[in-house]
Amino acid sequence: KAGVTQTPRYLIKTRGQQVTLSCSPISGHRSVSWYQQTPGQGLQFLFEYFSETQRNKGNFPGRFSGRQFSNSRSEMNVSTLELGDSALYLCASSPGTANTEAFFGQGTRLTVV
Amino acid sequence: GNSVTQMEGPVTLSEEAFLTINCTYTATGYPSLFWYVQYPGEGLQLLLKATKADDKGSNKGFEATYRKETTSFHLEKGSVQVSDSAVYFCALISNQAGTALIFGKGTTLSVSS
Repeated sequence: KAGVTQTPRYLIKTRGQQVTLSCSPISGHRSVSWYQQTPGQGLQFLFEYFSETQRNKGNFPGRFSGRQFSNSRSEMNVSTLELGDSALYLCASSPGTANTEAFFGQGTRLTVV
Repeated sequence: GNSVTQMEGPVTLSEEAFLTINCTYTATGYPSLFWYVQYPGEGLQLLLKATKADDKGSNKGFEATYRKETTSFHLEKGSVQVSDSAVYFCALISNQAGTALIFGKGTTLSVSS
């Protein structure tokens, strides 16, 4: 079965712009989580969506937002981009029940200039 | 709060050497524990997991045992290969109602022939 698909793979944006990243989970999975990976901070949890509702949220400013559609596809939006937002953004898909494995996409590499 | 601490490396080994990557955690309740691996330019892949005390997770020659008394989940492999060169992340899930992973900083492993 198809894996987790993230688009685009690479993005270059200018400070102050906004960006939308997309994640298509594995078929049948209802949970999508987003993570930010940077050399300095490592992997940090942004938020999780389950059945179109935000179920968990990490410690990120309100410029970071997301949503999930009825087909479980998810989008993440970052507004008013800052240089520090440059990172690899990873999406993880899972059935959403306790202790189940999360499957990761290859990520979107965002560079803010 | 919940956290994961792992040796940051880099760890440099010769092929067929024994590998240990230490991981300790702080968490409320009874977390599930995971090791993920990230190859260059890729997302994360689950290597192994353990969901309760004294469980041993194993995969591709790697093993880790959930030790509640020492709050540890050390990764071991008896004989590493060049193809094992990657970044290894220890992680936990503490919130049983969701799938938010808390990661360690990652350990870079480099194996030479």
